[in-house]
Formats: sequence, structure tokens, C-alpha cells
Amino acid sequence: NAGVTQTPKFRVLKTGQSMTLLCAQDMNHEYMYWYRQDPGMGLRLIHYSVGEGTTAKGEVPDGYNVSRLKKQNFLLGLESAAPSQTSVYFCASSKKREADIQYFGAGTRLSVL
Amino acid sequence: GQNIDQPTEMTATEGAIVQINCTYQTSGFNGLFWYQQHAGEAPTFLSYNVLDGLEEKGRFSSFLSRSKGYSYLLLKELQMKDSASYLCASMDSNYQLIWGAGTKLIIKP
Repeated sequence: NAGVTQTPKFRVLKTGQSMTLLCAQDMNHEYMYWYRQDPGMGLRLIHYSVGEGTTAKGEVPDGYNVSRLKKQNFLLGLESAAPSQTSVYFCASSKKREADIQYFGAGTRLSVL
Repeated sequence: GQNIDQPTEMTATEGAIVQINCTYQTSGFNGLFWYQQHAGEAPTFLSYNVLDGLEEKGRFSSFLSRSKGYSYLLLKELQMKDSASYLCASMDSNYQLIWGAGTKLIIKP
């Protein structure tokens, strides 16, 4: 019963390096989300997808790109990492957008030096 | 602007009752969610309210007053495993969740 799986769990990058975070869900959900969680702040939406092949910007999209080539996968890319992107990143999915439970992955803890 | 306020930290005793308050101000309203997040783990869903009133689910209950922009989560018969952060989130008119910073609940024996 995997649910939402994120890889990797931890990563350390140097400023300017790039990386991709992978999110996979096995619940056949249409909607997927990428959030970041910083100390003292609520979860903030980076990008989201309403279905395969679609993506949309959330509250804090700058410096990130996403792709949803397959329904079950949602990738988050950092092209040129900055120290301000040090955070814990959570992927989530839901069956519907409105009034529906979001199921979260275990998170990726990213440090950018 | 959109804003969710909840206390940063609360302490309670095992076996007691605690109420965690949340006030929200969002562009439109499509419901209020509560999630639980243990340290280093993912948030997990606890409750959803869209109509005024109290929703009870075992030891946990959630209340909503739309006119006051106010919700609370009530935890009864506290157990040590309830030590966690409790996140309040309001769904706005675009069906986007606006999250509070979370309330860290410390349970003492």
C-alpha cells in the first residue's frame, strides 16, 4: 500500500547545481501538488497538476519547473539551486481538487550550500 | 491578503482535553481542513468542515464558524502519541489550500 512515494529522501546541493525530485502515486489520482515547508511558515504551493500533461503555477513557482508526462508521476526540477531553496519538499495527490483529502509523501529534505 | 493564524505551541497533560484554535481569512471559502504532522513525517488528514458546527470523529472533533472565520480542533483523552504539529488549512475560491504554520502540541505525562 505505497500511496505517495518521493525520492530522494535527502539531498545536499551546491549553489548552481541542478536536480530533479520524483513523486509517484499509485492511487490513480488526477491532481498532484508540490509544496515546500519552511520553519515557522505554512506549507506553500509551488506547482500543481490537474491531470496528465498539465501543470500550473502555485504561490511560489520561481526557480522551479515541473512535468507530468505520466498520470502517476510528478517531477519537480531545480535548474540552478540557490540557498533560499533549502527546505523540505512535499508531494501530495488528490482524487478531486475541491473538498478532497490530499495524501502526502514522506518528504525530501534539501540543503543548498 | 490571505492569512491563517494558529498558536505556535501548546502543552497539555496525558489524559486531558486540549483545544487548538485557528482563525482564517481567505479569498472565498471552500472548507477548512486539519492535518496532523509528526516530527519528520508527512502531514496526514484529520478532518474537514465546510458547514458550521461540530464534527466528531472518535477522540478528535473539529468545529467551524464561517461567520467568525474560526475553527478549532478538540482532542480528548490525550495520549503521548498525540504529540505532533496540527496544521489548519483553508481552501480558497480557487480550491487552493492556504496553510497555517502549525501548532506544536507537547503532551506531558
